Amino acid sequence: AQTVTQSQPEMSVQEAETVTLSCTYDTSESDYYLFWYKQPPSRQMILVIRQEAYKQQNATENRFSVNFQKAAKSFSLKISDSQRGDAAMYFCASQWDSGYALNFGKGTSLLVTP
Amino acid sequence: DTEVTQTPKHLVMGMTNKKSLKCEQHMGHRAMYWYKQKAKKPPELMFVYSYEKLSINESVPSRFSPECPNSSLLNLHLHALQPEDSALYLCASRLWDSSYNEQFFGPGTRLTVL
Repeated sequence: AQTVTQSQPEMSVQEAETVTLSCTYDTSESDYYLFWYKQPPSRQMILVIRQEAYKQQNATENRFSVNFQKAAKSFSLKISDSQRGDAAMYFCASQWDSGYALNFGKGTSLLVTP
Repeated sequence: DTEVTQTPKHLVMGMTNKKSLKCEQHMGHRAMYWYKQKAKKPPELMFVYSYEKLSINESVPSRFSPECPNSSLLNLHLHALQPEDSALYLCASRLWDSSYNEQFFGPGTRLTVL
């Protein structure tokens, strides 16, 4: 079984600053995928960034980047130049093999302050 | 078309009612999912359909009955629900043999059981 742990229930960041959300996971699988999803209040859940476990290079999507430490089973999300629109619940998730659904962490609520 | 649509957006029903939730996608995805999400919690998997066949049922009570009439449409039939079933019901889809394994989520149906 895979477990995903997000140890920060809430985080706060000032606009234009950088924030890092933590995620650790546990799996015995060798082939899996890791994701960060964003769910704004009363809005649709969308994919922020994905990482294939077999790739050593950290994924980057504009202001969003990950620090993937496979040996440590860590997958943190860094948001640079934070904006008001980044305020949301962020879920770390894993998936292994085709056909299985996502394993979600409990989520981190990100507040962006002026 | 890269979206998953869900209807209705909101639903209020009594414990003796029968209602249905609808989910639709036209991305050619062959895996479709139902999740239940309580406030400030991660989504919980309910059902997975693969090529229109039910492949995973996460021990969901029989008062929830899924149906996949075709590759684009997923229904969730509701009958004799309990107040604790009040939640946001999310539908998601995924291209089965995609190496990216990304799930696309719909906006959800917010269900209230009186």
